[in-house]
Amino acid sequence: KQEVTQIPAALSVPEGENLVLNCSFTDSAIYNLQWFRQDPGKGLTSLLLIQSSQREQTSGRLNASLDKSSGRSTLYIAASQPGDSATYLCAVRGAGGGADGLTFGKGTHLIIQP
Amino acid sequence: DTEVTQTPKHLVMGMTNKKSLKCEQHMGHRAMYWYKQKAKKPPELMFVYSYEKLSINESVPSRFSPECPNSSLLNLHLHALQPEDSALYLCASSQETVAGGPSDTQYFGPGTRLTVL
Repeated sequence: KQEVTQIPAALSVPEGENLVLNCSFTDSAIYNLQWFRQDPGKGLTSLLLIQSSQREQTSGRLNASLDKSSGRSTLYIAASQPGDSATYLCAVRGAGGGADGLTFGKGTHLIIQP
Repeated sequence: DTEVTQTPKHLVMGMTNKKSLKCEQHMGHRAMYWYKQKAKKPPELMFVYSYEKLSINESVPSRFSPECPNSSLLNLHLHALQPEDSALYLCASSQETVAGGPSDTQYFGPGTRLTVL
């Protein structure tokens, strides 16, 4: 059974810093990996999706990398802002055919101090 | 438009009530999902519909009954729930293609906050 782990569980940094969130998964047979952001009591906002054949994806100040063979992904946030404060979730989709759900990590709770 | 809508936003029900949660998307996605999220926990998959057919049921108790009346709508019928079923229920959708690609992104709705008394 796939297990997804995110480190650290919580992180608090001053505004302007660059930071890295880590995600690892136990079964490397994945179809893709997706990073989400969740604000308290809200739904999930998709940030980036990396296909299993890709190494990284970028969107604005966000860069996500994937090393499928070692079962790791990182989310890099450049020049952090207070509005980046949220819980960041990593999720993987298995390599089985057809529609399949995501397996989530427990998330990193991020606070950016003004 | 990448919007998934869910109604109601909040629902309080007793253990003997019957209620339904509704999810709608107009992105032409052919896969739709129900997830359950308890407080301070990650979302957990409940059901997957692919082309209006139930393809995955993650051993969910029968007091939860999903329904996909058409490609844009997904319902979750609730009956005889327990207080431990109180959670945020999230709906998601994605385009399913053989080749995969960015269209596999799962888009989530804002959720329905369910409280069972």
